[in-house]
Amino acid sequence: EAGVAQSPRYKIIEKRQSVAFWCNPISGHATLYWYQQILGQGPKLLIQFQNNGVVDDSQLPKDRFSAERLKGVDSTLKIQPAKLEDSAVYLCASSPSGSGNGYTFGSGTRLTVV
Amino acid sequence: DAKTTQPTSMDCAEGRAANLPCNHSTISGNEYVYWYRQIHSQGPQYIIHGLKNNETNEMASLIITEDRKSSTLILPHATLRDTAVYYCIVRVKPGNTPLVFGKGTRLSVIA
Repeated sequence: EAGVAQSPRYKIIEKRQSVAFWCNPISGHATLYWYQQILGQGPKLLIQFQNNGVVDDSQLPKDRFSAERLKGVDSTLKIQPAKLEDSAVYLCASSPSGSGNGYTFGSGTRLTVV
Repeated sequence: DAKTTQPTSMDCAEGRAANLPCNHSTISGNEYVYWYRQIHSQGPQYIIHGLKNNETNEMASLIITEDRKSSTLILPHATLRDTAVYYCIVRVKPGNTPLVFGKGTRLSVIA
């Protein structure tokens, strides 16, 4: 089966600019996650979707970050305006609903804010 | 916050067994132990999980102590491609509880 697709692979922007990341989960996976991974740290959950509804966005900085999952399939994560500290890898993962097994992660988008 | 404690880094000679320890002394009765690894420039990859019995699959073995307060991931014959950061995570298995990652153990396999 195809994996989790993410684009772009790399992005460099100036601070205060906006940026968007796209994720296409594995077909049929109801649950989708966005994680932020700062260099040297483990991934940190930003938001979790179940189909097209938000389950948990408690760690999403809502003043600048937004995410949506229209039609319960693809998802986009947006940052506006970006700050230097947003430089990180943004990982998308998906899992079947209620699965006790592992998630499948995409390869991530590496964002550099200069 | 992560509920596990792992060493920051470990080295292992190629061809030898790599034994990665994890402490999870506050684990609850309904929480499983999951292991993931992250190779450079890739997303984390699922390895194995278990509740209380030892588990083995094509990638690794998981040994959980009888009191469930610690576990060890064993890569029986480490190769250079096993160089990665390994994360030990405790999680309730049913439902969609998100994975909470700590800093993991950076395993370097040396030729």
